[in-house]
Amino acid sequence: GAVVSQHPSRVICKSGTSVKIECRSLDFQATTMFWYRQFPKQSLMLMATSNEGSKATYEQGVEKDKFLINHASLTLSTLTVTSAHPEDSSFYICSAIPGQGKNEQFFGPGTRLTVL
Amino acid sequence: AQKITQTQPGMFVQEKEAVTLDCTYDTSDQSYGLFWYKQPSSGEMIFLIYQGSYDEQNATEGRYSLNFQKARKSANLVISASQLGDSAMYFCAMREGPDDYKLSFGAGTTVTVRA
Repeated sequence: GAVVSQHPSRVICKSGTSVKIECRSLDFQATTMFWYRQFPKQSLMLMATSNEGSKATYEQGVEKDKFLINHASLTLSTLTVTSAHPEDSSFYICSAIPGQGKNEQFFGPGTRLTVL
Repeated sequence: AQKITQTQPGMFVQEKEAVTLDCTYDTSDQSYGLFWYKQPSSGEMIFLIYQGSYDEQNATEGRYSLNFQKARKSANLVISASQLGDSAMYFCAMREGPDDYKLSFGAGTTVTVRA
């Protein structure tokens, strides 16, 4: 099956620093990737849709200047949490779709961000 | 309004028994898709089963089956012959429209399988 990786799997940073999370589709091309955020014991909340070669589409309430998304190639999307604060601590998960007409989204293993 | 409603925060099931996880959805689209994902404590999201709104038969994948009742807007997941490894969080999700691949997730149900 299609494999999506995320790096890093865990990151701890100081308040005020920026953190970049990578999402890669390893064996397929993904024109569209999604970024989700999940707090402990809660559901996944869609943050933004990342489209290769164009600007990301952010969900209502998500600060685009805070969460920078870049989809530079058909296999890589990055999420940068800028000037991170403790309230940004969360589990960030990306997903990718292999192509048009495909129903299944393949999820990465997630990145646990802890901001001290 | 919630698009996906999962009313069972947690459930216990005896090993080898079946368990039904409830999911109701709300959409005005005629074309939509319903998904179930499993999330173990490791955090990965594992795809279990998919049901399209135009599919006439209920989807089945091994021990997983989806009880799709379109008029009632429900898409319950049935796990048969539960195993200890089935203990996890289960999420129901929906994609709306033929060209929109965004997923809306329910709150999830934690399943604990007892030996």
